[in-house]
Amino acid sequence: SQQGEEDPQALSIQEGENATMNCSYKTSINNLQWYRQNSGRGLVHLILIRSNEREKHSGRLRVTLDTSKKSSSLLITASRAADTASYFCATTSGGSNYKLTFGKGTLLTVNP
Amino acid sequence: EAQVTQNPRYLITVTGKKLTVTCSQNMNHEYMSWYRQDPGLGLRQIYYSMNVEVTDKGDVPEGYKVSRKEKRNFPLILESPSPNQTSLYFCAAGVLSQPQHFGDGTRLSIL
Repeated sequence: SQQGEEDPQALSIQEGENATMNCSYKTSINNLQWYRQNSGRGLVHLILIRSNEREKHSGRLRVTLDTSKKSSSLLITASRAADTASYFCATTSGGSNYKLTFGKGTLLTVNP
Repeated sequence: EAQVTQNPRYLITVTGKKLTVTCSQNMNHEYMSWYRQDPGLGLRQIYYSMNVEVTDKGDVPEGYKVSRKEKRNFPLILESPSPNQTSLYFCAAGVLSQPQHFGDGTRLSIL
């Protein structure tokens, strides 16, 4: 069953612009994670935010979490062509801090 | 370097011919899992394992088997593959409340 839903499904921007992707989920979570997937490759973890946190930063990445709205956003600042990839949010919930439930992803294209 | 290694990376086979996709991790993580990724459906969990000899079904377990005889290995077995199991498969390993490490994927085509 899908927990997270990313929005938009696809996003095309110019290099240097900021990219914002959103994720909504349905049930209470333990934590929410963002992963990147380059075409045909495995998923690479970007950032994890716990349910009691509201914002986290990692380099050019900024993640926010609003548990009242059951939503999260991923902001990539000063995007580069190398940021072109699919981005997925994934949540853990209930008694499991292991099982990830993924959304369907946002395809980000950064044009040089 | 943390690694999850899947083999093979690509496989084309025929309906009914048993196959095994191997997954090995070098991090001594307790938790391992298998996902399949299909267009428009995202990643869905097939099976997971909390530790040696402890496995359980995920969201789409039909047609698959797994085993966890040792901590580092978690093979995915398709006893009688069918075309609807054509997909991109990922193995992952992790520890409690931490990000998981994913393999590079195995693309299976079942004719």
